[in-house]
Amino acid sequence: GDSVTQMEGPVTLSEEAFLTINCTYTATGYPSLFWYVQYPGEGLQLLLKATKADDKGSNKGFEATYRKETTSFHLEKGSVQVSDSAVYFCALSDRGNAGGTSYGKLTFGQGTILTVHP
Amino acid sequence: EPEVTQTPSHQVTQMGQEVILRCVPISNHLYFYWYRQILGQKVEFLVSFYNNEISEKSEIFDDQFSVERPDGSNFTLKIRSTKLEDSAMYFCASTGQFGELFFGEGSRLTVL
Repeated sequence: GDSVTQMEGPVTLSEEAFLTINCTYTATGYPSLFWYVQYPGEGLQLLLKATKADDKGSNKGFEATYRKETTSFHLEKGSVQVSDSAVYFCALSDRGNAGGTSYGKLTFGQGTILTVHP
Repeated sequence: EPEVTQTPSHQVTQMGQEVILRCVPISNHLYFYWYRQILGQKVEFLVSFYNNEISEKSEIFDDQFSVERPDGSNFTLKIRSTKLEDSAMYFCASTGQFGELFFGEGSRLTVL
């Protein structure tokens, strides 16, 4: 079945450091890929997505590129801020855009806790 | 900004008791979901609901679980006879036909 593997956490960085959180996946077909973020005390929020190979999702300075050849979707940010401290989840949907089906059934990675110090 | 709301935020119950977790999805959304996250583990899909019926469910979603949309706004998850291993954070989510999944803040269930 489908699966998502994220790098082990937690990750602790100083403000303005470069961030990479690795994510690799196993899926049949052509999944859509997502990064979700969960700030303390809040629900999961979509950070960015990519629906086909070589697409780059970006939002709030974060980027991730859908790499089919390496089955990866690594999250990067050039300069993190204290406010980026949160749990980050990589996820996939096997529904893609076919037939207008929603992206709703997601397979998640285990989450990576990011703490950014001033 | 529209949001998914869940109640209660935390519920403590005794093993064997029935629990109902409530969710109010975003009003014009069509698909509704429950996910759960056992402490320290992955977020797992439980069930999806569309057009007033279950469209898909995972192997976790056994006969102890049920979902219902009793009126035009609420979407509930019922656990008939709770077990210790049902202790988890339960997330409700909704989406329109093509859009992203919007999650609620979660309901933490503790079974003693």
